[in-house]
Amino acid sequence: DGGITQSPKYLFRKEGQNVTLSCEQNLNHDAMYWYRQDPGQGLRLIYYSQIVNDFQKGDIAEGYSVSREKKESFPLTVTSAQKNPTAFYLCASTRSGANVLTFGAGSRLTVL
Amino acid sequence: SQKIEQNSEALNIQEGKTATLTCNYTNYSPAYLQWYRQDPGRGPVFLLLIRENEKEKRKERLKVTFDTTLKQSLFHITASQPADSATYLCAPGAMDTGRRALTFGSGTRLQVQP
Repeated sequence: DGGITQSPKYLFRKEGQNVTLSCEQNLNHDAMYWYRQDPGQGLRLIYYSQIVNDFQKGDIAEGYSVSREKKESFPLTVTSAQKNPTAFYLCASTRSGANVLTFGAGSRLTVL
Repeated sequence: SQKIEQNSEALNIQEGKTATLTCNYTNYSPAYLQWYRQDPGRGPVFLLLIRENEKEKRKERLKVTFDTTLKQSLFHITASQPADSATYLCAPGAMDTGRRALTFGSGTRLQVQP
């Protein structure tokens, strides 16, 4: 079945450590996105990418980095510069020119 | 700045009744508006998309309206069931090329009581 796979589902990190969240899709979608969700709040855009080797900052990019070396993959690194990284992270994708997003199941990051 | 407002208070209704959720937006001229369902600990799932030239869209027990004058969308679930309990997110979409990404409202949690 086609879809988006995020891993790990749960991740614990000590302060000062960088962590990388994986996002892989086999939908042949061109665009991919990372959103952050805090309890009781909506989704906030971190980064997005329309094509391979190109990406744009969203509303809360500080303390995060991404890469888009392959169409299928859009990993997100949460760096030690992110002051409050504990959150639920969602990856999504869509076809070029389309509007509807397909989401992964999410990764929950907790900083100890 | 662009703003999307959804009722932050949970909506509690009895099974069989119609649930109506509201999405208001300001400083926006969206060409379309989408609704998603999100269950706890899961990613959102797309439900419906309505375009600016459409007044109403239906899918099974779901109905969405889009009033560009009021800058508002209403999302209705008729004959609600406990399985409809979830958080519902709206996302107005613009066609400008400056930002090719959706912005979401904070969502309204619906609780359907048996």
